[in-house]
Amino acid sequence: GQSLEQPSEVTAVEGAIVQINCTYQTSGFYGLSWYQQHDGGAPTFLSYNALDGLEETGRFSSFLSRSDSYGYLLLQELQMKDSASYFCAVRPVKAAGNKLTFGGGTRVLVKP
Amino acid sequence: DVKVTQSSRYLVKRTGEKVFLECVQDMDHENMFWYRQDPGLGLRLIYFSYDVKMKEKGDIPEGYSVSREKKERFSLILESASTNQTSMYLCASSFTGGGYTFGSGTRLTVV
Repeated sequence: GQSLEQPSEVTAVEGAIVQINCTYQTSGFYGLSWYQQHDGGAPTFLSYNALDGLEETGRFSSFLSRSDSYGYLLLQELQMKDSASYFCAVRPVKAAGNKLTFGGGTRVLVKP
Repeated sequence: DVKVTQSSRYLVKRTGEKVFLECVQDMDHENMFWYRQDPGLGLRLIYFSYDVKMKEKGDIPEGYSVSREKKERFSLILESASTNQTSMYLCASSFTGGGYTFGSGTRLTVV
């Protein structure tokens, strides 16, 4: 089965850097995804790591290490609009279709 | 842009009613999903479909059924609504191997 663990909440100030860790126990998966969800809104796709290493997209970066069963999302130069919940997700190898299993989500609160 | 449209933003239904939640996507995605989202529990998969008329149970299918008669439409059915089904329901679609596009969600309250 699959299990993904994330911290429940992180608080930081504008301009700071936040790292959201995602540790997992899974029998095998294709890659690690990250989604952002603002209060009252729909989750939106942020990034995907198929291979180990760092993927950078503007102020956001995502990292995967399969050997350590660990990944993270790095939010740099935090802005107020980054206040949202962030979910990691994996697509299990044995799952039909494109089924994703999500972590419980990390609520990021950015303060002035 | 891919659009996933859920028919209702807010719904209030009575216990025992049969409830239909509709979801339509416009990008020819083969995969469609229904999740529910509850505080502290994250996103939990109810059912998904990887082709027309094909469906598979997710992690919490009890009390729900689904219908996919056309590729663009995936309906979630609560056979007999109960108060513990009060939740935010999110529909999503994707190509196989692709990221999900979610709808705006339906907040269902069962009284």
